Amino acid sequence: DSGVTQTPKHLITATGQRVTLRCSPRSGDLSVYWYQQSLDQGLQFLIQYYNGEERAKGNILERFSAQQFPDLHSELNLSSLELGDSALYFCASSETGAYTEAFFGQGTRLTVV
Amino acid sequence: GQQVMQIPQYQHVQEGEDFTTYCNSSTTLSNIQWYKQRPGGHPVFLIQLVKSGEVKKQKRLTFQFGEAKKNSSLHITATQTTDVGTYFCAGPGGNTGNQFYFGTGTSLTVIP
Repeated sequence: DSGVTQTPKHLITATGQRVTLRCSPRSGDLSVYWYQQSLDQGLQFLIQYYNGEERAKGNILERFSAQQFPDLHSELNLSSLELGDSALYFCASSETGAYTEAFFGQGTRLTVV
Repeated sequence: GQQVMQIPQYQHVQEGEDFTTYCNSSTTLSNIQWYKQRPGGHPVFLIQLVKSGEVKKQKRLTFQFGEAKKNSSLHITATQTTDVGTYFCAGPGGNTGNQFYFGTGTSLTVIP
């Protein structure tokens, strides 16, 4: 158990819909990272938050947004969903913002039909 | 933008054979991390290398950071079925240096 909790584990939704993925980092970790992993693909960095503020942005679509709340949990919002958005979405957390190991949650498997 | 490539993409070995995966970055890395993802699982941190030419060992696993800090390797001696999974390297990059760019990964299959 990494200590990072992601909900829900599975999500099936229709094209055009909007969903919210939730992540609770390990106790004490200030950074949260979001990654997208498509079938047989690597991990695509989406965005990082550190202590409530956006720290780095990667290949995140404009239809996607995220935020980190004062209690340090984070949410990833995906809107106007397309079939191609079907993927495994991982959240990871680390103690600080830089150069420290990241602990991954179990992931949320999103299926868009 | 920064790219981290890994080779090979797939590797099948007989149990007991050695395995090596290579990671190459288009830019110099301040450090590199290695992760293992079991089938159906999530990435799990293995190690971090920081110094040029650094070599670290974990039982049958040997990690190396290149002298130029642009490449790294993971070598597994005498593979076991428990080594099955995808091995990723990851390095910091981006404007703030805090984005963790993951390599393309090497999927290891061990044939009993």
